[in-house]
This record gives sequence, C-alpha cells and structure tokens, in this order.
Amino acid sequence: SYELTQPPSVSVSPGQTASITCSGDKLGAKYACWYQQKPGQSPVLIIYQDNKRPSGIPERFSGSNSGNTATLTISGTQAMDEADYYCQAWASSTYVFGTGTKVTVL
Amino acid sequence: EVQLVESGGGLVQPGRSLRLSCAASGFTFDDYAMHWVRQAPGKGLEWVSGISWNGAVTGYADSVKGRFTISRDNGKNSLFLQVNSLRTEDTALYYCAKDTTPTGEGAHDVWGQGTMVTVSS
Repeated sequence: SYELTQPPSVSVSPGQTASITCSGDKLGAKYACWYQQKPGQSPVLIIYQDNKRPSGIPERFSGSNSGNTATLTISGTQAMDEADYYCQAWASSTYVFGTGTKVTVL
Repeated sequence: EVQLVESGGGLVQPGRSLRLSCAASGFTFDDYAMHWVRQAPGKGLEWVSGISWNGAVTGYADSVKGRFTISRDNGKNSLFLQVNSLRTEDTALYYCAKDTTPTGEGAHDVWGQGTMVTVSS
C-alpha cells in the first residue's frame, strides 16, 4: 500500500521559516494537499493541488511537489501556526494521509 | 455558513453496529463528493471511505472494506456510514468531510467537528 512519510516534529523560531517534507514514491506525479490541525480542533485545508491556497489561508503558507517529495513551507512563522500538519495524496483509488508533523514555535 | 454536523457515535461492544450521520448545510450538497475520515485518540488521520456526488462510486480503506458502508441522501443533504462488526481498533473520532470535486480525488475543504465511536466490552 502507498505510504507518505513526514518528520515527527519540526521546531522553528517566531519569524523564521519552517519546512515540512512529505515523502512518497513518485509523489510528484500526484496532487498533494496539506492540513493543519490544532489541539481539540478539526483539520483545516491549507494547501491543495500542490501549491494552491484556499481563500482565507495566509500567504505565508506555500507548497511544492516534485520527484518523491512534497514540501509545506511556512514563512515568517507565527505562534498561532503551532499545530500538527498532515499531507495527503490520492493513490491507488484511496486517499493516503502522511504520518503527521508537530510544529513547535519556540 | 458552510457546515457539517456529525452524529450517531457512542460506546458499543465489539461485533456490534452503528450508523453515523452527517448533516450538511450552506452549500449545494449534491455537487460534491463526500468522505469519512477518522482519528484514533492521540493518533493521525486515516481516510475511511468516500462517495461520489450521485452515490454511484464508493471507495473504502482496506481496514474497513466489507464492514463499513457509505451512502448519501441528496434530498436530505445527508451522508451516512453504516459500521458493522466493530473492532476495538475502530475506536476513533469520525469526521465527515466535503470534497472539492464531484467525483472525489480532490482535497477535503470542509470538515465537521466529528462524532466519537468507542468500541469496548
């Protein structure tokens, strides 16, 4: 079955850039999206079709996808960005979520 | 306001059944595919099942295939998940989510607050 692997945790200082990777076989040939989930809340879509932002999502969130890796970049990270982040892709007639990354803003 | 509200969860013994429901409002329900996604306590997200806009196409995760059945009633703007032969590993918060496309394969852009299913003897 298809798997998407993310680093368990990423730490970043306020105002700096955080990058979260999502690795899967030939992931660049599929669309990747990203969700943010804060404690006790439902997930929120922040990136779809590799690099598109839904309305209302701040410009500091951006995405890319090439080869075997999709990347979510948070520029000028704010304290409110502390959350769990999940990538997702459609593969072999099922959706697959990544393992999740906890972003800590120190 | 676009909204999804799940219901039907609860505490159930292994081997028993439940029917989860999701009431949609604020958008044209039959224009979009819909999904169920679950999250076990302290764990990550797991896609469970999806259904196309007209119910003609459905899909399931291997972990639930043959035990869970997804359906929808477009006249009532509702999504359902019949969960049978429940196992302890099915314990999770079950979210209803809207797809960005009619056929599925898009992203999940609207999520409900979830309904908790606990399987325990």
